[in-house]
Amino acid sequence: GDSVTQMEGPVTLSEEAFLTINCTYTATGYPSLFWYVQYPGEGLQLLLKATKADDKGSNKGFEATYRKETTSFHLEKGSVQVSDSAVYFCALSDRGGAQKLVFGQGTRLTINP
Amino acid sequence: ETGVTQSPTHLIKTRGQQVTLRCSSQSGHNTVSWYQQALGQGPQFIFQYYREEENGRGNFPPRFSGLQFPNYSSELNVNALELDDSALYLCASSPAGGGGYQETQYFGPGTRLLVL
Repeated sequence: GDSVTQMEGPVTLSEEAFLTINCTYTATGYPSLFWYVQYPGEGLQLLLKATKADDKGSNKGFEATYRKETTSFHLEKGSVQVSDSAVYFCALSDRGGAQKLVFGQGTRLTINP
Repeated sequence: ETGVTQSPTHLIKTRGQQVTLRCSSQSGHNTVSWYQQALGQGPQFIFQYYREEENGRGNFPPRFSGLQFPNYSSELNVNALELDDSALYLCASSPAGGGGYQETQYFGPGTRLLVL
């Protein structure tokens, strides 16, 4: 079945550091890929998405490129801020059937000032 | 535009009891999905409703059931609660016509259920 594997956390960085959170997926078809963010005590918010190969999703300085050849969707940001501290989830939604999201286990990110 | 809302925010139940969680979808959205998020884990898909019909189900037992109403709001019912049902329950809505895998799902803040 479909699955998503994320880089293990927690990840701790200093402010203004470069961020990469790795995400790879397994799917039978050509899924849509998403990054969601969860701030403490809150639900999930969409950060960015890409719906076909080579698409780049971007939002709030974060970027991720849909790489079909490596089945990856790594999240990057050039200069992180303390306010980026949260849990980040990579997810996919495959064709057919219910529009269900399959999530990775999440990566907790802490940014120190 | 009102986002996805859920009630209650927190709930404490004892093993064997039944619980009903509620969700109001975002305006214009006709598809509602429910997810269970155990502590420290990613959300797991429970089921989805589209136009008042179940449109897909994850690997959850039949004691997890749901409803969708004509205004597209939804309920999640869990019977015979077990300790492992303790989790954050998330509702998400989307404007998809029941099969739009490219559509974004918009999540509510969740209901945190504790089973003692």
